[in-house]
Amino acid sequence: DSGVTQTPKHLITATGQRVTLRCSPRSGDLSVYWYQQSLDQGLQFLIQYYNGEERAKGNILERFSAQQFPDLHSELNLSSLELGDSALYFCASSVEGTRWTGELFFGEGSRLTVL
Amino acid sequence: AQKVTQAQTEISVVEKEDVTLDCVYETRDTTYYLFWYKQPPSGELVFLIRRNSFDEQNEISGRYSWNFQKSTSSFNFTITASQVVDSAVYFCALSEAEYGGATNKLIFGTGTLLAVQP
Repeated sequence: DSGVTQTPKHLITATGQRVTLRCSPRSGDLSVYWYQQSLDQGLQFLIQYYNGEERAKGNILERFSAQQFPDLHSELNLSSLELGDSALYFCASSVEGTRWTGELFFGEGSRLTVL
Repeated sequence: AQKVTQAQTEISVVEKEDVTLDCVYETRDTTYYLFWYKQPPSGELVFLIRRNSFDEQNEISGRYSWNFQKSTSSFNFTITASQVVDSAVYFCALSEAEYGGATNKLIFGTGTLLAVQP
């Protein structure tokens, strides 16, 4: 158990819909990362938040957005869903700054299926 | 630009065989970190090892060993006496984060599916 919690574990929805994925980081971790794992794109970094602020951005579509709340949990919002958005979405957390260890702790992922 | 290449898409071995998973990386930074993660059929990503660019010592942990060679930009992973439970997808990853740095985002390779047959 990494200590990172993601909900829901599975989600099935239709094209054009909007979904929200939730992530609670490990206790004490200020950084949250979102990754997308699909068959054709592999594991792609989407975005990172640190203590409520966006810190790094990867290959995140404009239809996707994320935020990190004061209690440090994060949400990834996916809108106008397309079939190609079907993927496993991982959240990871990390200690940054002087306590940095270089390791990302991954949640179990949220599997999104768009029909 | 950063890039991680895992040329082996799938490897199949018989239990007790040794197997090496290859990883080649590209980066322009002198300070960087390399990782291996395991993704078993259940789907979660499990951290195996981290190595920084200044430490080229090979590491052994039980049946696992890692060979880091800066000269060839490679960070290969060997499983000795493989077991069925080793069956998983293994990812190599690169980060250019520095100690106390702003981000630890990882760039992953495409993964190698290891199937260990009984």
